[in-house]
Amino acid sequence: DVKVTQSSRYLVKRTGEKVFLECVQDMDHENMFWYRQDPGLGLRLIYFSYDVKMKEKGDIPEGYSVSREKKERFSLILESASTNQTSMYLCASSSTGAIYNEQFFGPGTRLTVL
Amino acid sequence: AQKVTQAQTEISVVEKEDVTLDCVYETRDTTYYLFWYKQPPSGELVFLIRRNSFDEQNEISGRYSWNFQKSTSSFNFTITASQVVDSAVYFCALTPTGNQFYFGTGTSLTVIP
Repeated sequence: DVKVTQSSRYLVKRTGEKVFLECVQDMDHENMFWYRQDPGLGLRLIYFSYDVKMKEKGDIPEGYSVSREKKERFSLILESASTNQTSMYLCASSSTGAIYNEQFFGPGTRLTVL
Repeated sequence: AQKVTQAQTEISVVEKEDVTLDCVYETRDTTYYLFWYKQPPSGELVFLIRRNSFDEQNEISGRYSWNFQKSTSSFNFTITASQVVDSAVYFCALTPTGNQFYFGTGTSLTVIP
């Protein structure tokens, strides 16, 4: 069964902390994505990756960085968390060859920054 | 520019009613793909359907049906005889044969028993 897992369902951090959100997929997918979901704004792409050690900025990369050292793992890093980064974070993956292949999503991490 | 508009923010229907979720898209690409995803209260988005720009044939899958019309740039989703389990947020998305998906803001559907 296709699976994308995220390290935490709920996370509470303090302003200024460095935060790591981990995503792992077991489908041998080349493409991985990080979105944030906010009410009224839908899903907005933060970063994506087409290969190991490769990353591309999405629509809202400011305040975030990513790491992809292994094919199955894509990490989102908040260098210095701020209250406006309180949100639901969704990871997704898809197979390569056709970018229009559907994305498979993880359950999400609801991050609260105090 | 790519854009997906889901004008209906929230919809409530009584169980067994039919409901249509609207999706209007904008793109200058001639080749593109459209998607619908369902996000139940558990949070995980579930893929429902993919449509490419060259296939305007409507599709039916059980109680679900999709109406793709290029002339109006719409890809609407109808649930027939709605059930409580259909309560979720539904997202429409667009991708050209390029880098990323463009999601609408979602429609929250509540089916009242």
